[in-house]
Amino acid sequence: AQTVTQSQPEMSVQEAETVTLSCTYDTSESDYYLFWYKQPPSRQMILVIRQEAYKQQNATENRFSVNFQKAAKSFSLKISDSQLGDAAMYFCAHYSLGGAQKLVFGQGTRLTINP
Amino acid sequence: NAGVMQNPRHLVRRRGQEARLRCSPMKGHSHVYWYRQLPEEGLKFMVYLQKENIIDESGMPKERFSAEFPKEGPSILRIQQVVRGDSAAYFCASSPPRKTQYFGPGTRLLVL
Repeated sequence: AQTVTQSQPEMSVQEAETVTLSCTYDTSESDYYLFWYKQPPSRQMILVIRQEAYKQQNATENRFSVNFQKAAKSFSLKISDSQLGDAAMYFCAHYSLGGAQKLVFGQGTRLTINP
Repeated sequence: NAGVMQNPRHLVRRRGQEARLRCSPMKGHSHVYWYRQLPEEGLKFMVYLQKENIIDESGMPKERFSAEFPKEGPSILRIQQVVRGDSAAYFCASSPPRKTQYFGPGTRLLVL
């Protein structure tokens, strides 16, 4: 069974600075996606970024980028030029394309932005 | 293009009553997933459905919980004889086959 671990329950960063959120996962699958979702106080789950496991190039979406280390099963999220609106819970998730097609989530990291 | 719709957004039930949660997937999405989020926790998978079929219900409690996705109309998650431990946020997500899942706003269930 897949597992996802986020070892940082809370993180904080100064506005305009850069922060990295950690995520590790365990899977026996070879074909999968990895995601970061953001959950602001409204509790809506918002997709931040997606990485296909077969792609070596790290995904990037504007100020958000990932460091995908497949052999180490590590998938960290870097937020550059942090903004107050980035404050939220961030969840890392694994999605297997071959087996059970469900998202397996980590426990989440609460990110605070200090003005 | 409307996103995933869920209703009601908030639901209050007394112990022993039934809760019925609805989810309308995004247009063109044939796959629906239900997840539950207990306070201060991540989302946990409950069930995966396609039209008129339950594909994977490995995350559903064995009793009192059921789900359907009929040929016409929204997907329904039904909880019979609710207990206080059922209080949680219930999220629905939809996707095309083997693609990114997009989430609805969730239903917050409070059992008194």
